[in-house]
Amino acid sequence: QSALTQPPSASGSPGQSVTISCTGTSSDVGGYNYVSWYQQHPGKAPKLMIYEVSKRPSGVPDRFSGSKSGNTASLTVSGLQAEDEADYYCSSYAGSTSPYVFGTGTKVTVL
Amino acid sequence: EVQLLESGGGLVQPGGSLRLSCAASGFTFSSYAMSWVRQAPGKGLEWVSAISGSGGSTYYADSVKGRFTISRDNSKNTLYLQMNSLRAEDTAVYYCAKEAGVAAPYWYFDLWGRGTLVTVSS
Repeated sequence: QSALTQPPSASGSPGQSVTISCTGTSSDVGGYNYVSWYQQHPGKAPKLMIYEVSKRPSGVPDRFSGSKSGNTASLTVSGLQAEDEADYYCSSYAGSTSPYVFGTGTKVTVL
Repeated sequence: EVQLLESGGGLVQPGGSLRLSCAASGFTFSSYAMSWVRQAPGKGLEWVSAISGSGGSTYYADSVKGRFTISRDNSKNTLYLQMNSLRAEDTAVYYCAKEAGVAAPYWYFDLWGRGTLVTVSS
């Protein structure tokens, strides 16, 4: 199972929006509505930000939103804040044999 | 408090073995599938292995199949990863992660441990 493809980096000024893409295939992202997104600060464990494409866990600001079109999912962070600077990883269900696949990761920089 | 705490990492020579543990607390451990996810230094996340709540079903990434074995002891609320025939490319921080779905998976992780570092080097 190959990793999902994300851009290595993305950036924006405080208050702006940034969108991160996550491209897979019809066997993972495109085949199921089981895309999730994780935020990871340096030296810390990943934190769930979005699940099932567009749902936010309690406690996650509504500045974070998710969507999907075909084989590509997206995470948008609106109203960027300094604390949003982190690495972001997408993940998808990828079938019964090897069920989880992660994206390559995107480093978001707040300028 | 709901938490996962990994242990057992360390320095091991190529070809050696290591067993990781993950102690769970604050939730009904046996009701949830669990996974191990690793992250090589400076690299991205890689799913390694998963096990159902009962322990009856296990899953592995191709990169570790035949070398790693996942197991759990629900009486001790503990997840394990037995790692054999270790290679330099297995060097990583290993996280245990809790599946969000009760009884059946929802295919995302809602709780992660802090990780334990495994270094494979001579």
